[in-house]
Amino acid sequence: GEDVEQSLFLSVREGDSSVINCTYTDSSSTYLYWYKQEPGAGLQLLTYIFSNMDMKQDQRLTVLLNKKDKHLSLRIADTQTGDSAIYFCAWDPGFSGGYNKLIFGAGTRLAVHP
Amino acid sequence: DAGVTQSPTHLIKTRGQQVTLRCSPKSGHDTVSWYQQALGQGPQFIFQYYEEEERQRGNFPDRFSGHQFPNYSSELNVNALLLGDSALYLCASSFNPQRRGGTDTQYFGPGTRLTVL
Repeated sequence: GEDVEQSLFLSVREGDSSVINCTYTDSSSTYLYWYKQEPGAGLQLLTYIFSNMDMKQDQRLTVLLNKKDKHLSLRIADTQTGDSAIYFCAWDPGFSGGYNKLIFGAGTRLAVHP
Repeated sequence: DAGVTQSPTHLIKTRGQQVTLRCSPKSGHDTVSWYQQALGQGPQFIFQYYEEEERQRGNFPDRFSGHQFPNYSSELNVNALLLGDSALYLCASSFNPQRRGGTDTQYFGPGTRLTVL
């Protein structure tokens, strides 16, 4: 089936690293995405990775993909109070069919405290 | 370069009424997808429009319908509103779902908050 699981809550101290984890069910080639949602706002695309890659780094963000375990993680280095938000993992089960729709997890709420 | 825009930002309706939500895609995008995000949950895919046709549909009843116009903008219509339809409705746009190039990454608008009383 099509499913994404995420832990619901993460609390970190300002300046520390945050690691948000996600597992998905499909094993076919696809794109996997991380989106950020601040209170009352839409979704902001943070980064994405194709399933034939193991890692992608983009400034403070590092995405790690373990395709064997279907495990995706997002690491935020030097976490700031402005990083407090809900983070969604999503994947595209329609990729092989030539169309795209996104399946989202329930989101991980990241709280950054001084 | 304007991003995805949606209107209205907020809407209050009563049960049984009908509602129309609007979306303008990001410049250069030709595909529009709609998602429903209930409080405390992740977005759920409603349907996707490309070339003015519904290409793909999620697990939503026929009360949910849509339309895409020649300028790629889109509308989401919901008939016979239920209390459970209260949610944030998100529109996302992307370019070319036929995989001729690019990542088909979906960019989201700010959403329309619908409250059904």
